[in-house]
Amino acid sequence: AQKVTQAQTEISVVEKEDVTLDCVYETRDTTYYLFWYKQPPSGELVFLIRRNSFDEQNEISGRYSWNFQKSTSSFNFTITASQVVDSAVYFCALLDSGSARQLTFGSGTQLTVLP
Amino acid sequence: EPEVTQTPSHQVTQMGQEVILRCVPISNHLYFYWYRQILGQKVEFLVSFYNNEISEKSEIFDDQFSVERPDGSNFTLKIRSTKLEDSAMYFCASSGGLGNNQPQHFGDGTRLSIL
Repeated sequence: AQKVTQAQTEISVVEKEDVTLDCVYETRDTTYYLFWYKQPPSGELVFLIRRNSFDEQNEISGRYSWNFQKSTSSFNFTITASQVVDSAVYFCALLDSGSARQLTFGSGTQLTVLP
Repeated sequence: EPEVTQTPSHQVTQMGQEVILRCVPISNHLYFYWYRQILGQKVEFLVSFYNNEISEKSEIFDDQFSVERPDGSNFTLKIRSTKLEDSAMYFCASSGGLGNNQPQHFGDGTRLSIL
């Protein structure tokens, strides 16, 4: 069965610091997809990135970057020069071929960026 | 950018009453989902829907729950006889195209409070 672990329940940083959110996943499939979603205090879920299991290239989008390592089953998310508006709960999620289109979410990491 | 819209944003209902949560998925999407998030917990899959039928459902989605696509645009979740433990944020999502690599786009959620 698939599983996503986000061991960091809460992280606090001061504005402009870099911060990395960890995500470790488990799946028996060789084809799977990983996602990050952001949930700001207003409650909605905002899609950030999708990564498939065949593409281990790291990705950068502005201040956001993602490090996918199949060898350690990790898909970590780094925010560079954090801002107060980055404060949110961040969820890592997994979708594999055995689960149709059912996303399995981690328990989330509450990120607080202090001014 | 197209969005998934959910109504109402907040629903307060007496225990034992029926409630219908409404969603309008992104217009060219083919797959529809409901997820639930109990306050402070992870997002949990309830059900997926494709081609006018349920394609997958979780253990949470028992006989009290049903989904329907009554017309070409709406996708509803009905809880027949609500319980206190049904209090949660309910998210609708949709994704387009074939294959598992399409990200699921979420609505802003409906906060359901059972009294």
